[in-house]
Amino acid sequence: QLQLQESGPGLVRPSETLSLTCTVSGGSISNSSYYWGWIRQPPGKGLEWVGNIYYSGSTSYHPSLKSRVSMSMDTSKNQFSLKLSSLTAADTALYYCARFVVVVAATANDCWGQGTLVNVSS
Amino acid sequence: DIQMTQSPSSLSASVGDRVTITCRASQNIRSYLNWYQQKPGRAPKLLICVASRLHSGVPSRFSGSGSGTDFTLTISSLQPEDFATYFCQQSYSMWTFGQGTKVEIK
Repeated sequence: QLQLQESGPGLVRPSETLSLTCTVSGGSISNSSYYWGWIRQPPGKGLEWVGNIYYSGSTSYHPSLKSRVSMSMDTSKNQFSLKLSSLTAADTALYYCARFVVVVAATANDCWGQGTLVNVSS
Repeated sequence: DIQMTQSPSSLSASVGDRVTITCRASQNIRSYLNWYQQKPGRAPKLLICVASRLHSGVPSRFSGSGSGTDFTLTISSLQPEDFATYFCQQSYSMWTFGQGTKVEIK
């Protein structure tokens, strides 16, 4: 059974860089059938796609975050990671890692981690 | 950016009711529309992909329809475990979500 688990600091200071890691078990992130990515949810609000990465290393980022975000993969550890720089309070959110499955050329998030709360505060 | 607008933002219903939630895209997204259910303190769960395909393990009382810009999620007979917030998501051009519809007990 596929499982995703986020890890990283719960508290980050403004202007610093957030680093999160998603560890995948029960399946390989090198599987060409899937993308892997991050989705965030500010407290009490809706969902926002942050970015995703393919096994080849190609990435796609939300246009409003593109200048501050980067993603990478470590296939030896079956992990992928997110870095978000120049943090502000607006980046405070529950960060989920998720799998993107391709369905007839479309995609959907069929498996999610439990989420990790990141609070940006001094 | 493609904007997704759900309606209503919230609704009250009773067990056994038929519930319909709509999602409108700001441009044609063909059938690239997914629906998710989220309960408090939990990650979203995929219900329906590509507008009408029921995800594995999802009860048949859930159904989806629509294409282009207008989409619908229907719960044919609301069950106690269905009280939750529902989100639509487009995957036609990157990914954006609707603001959510909270289904509460009447």
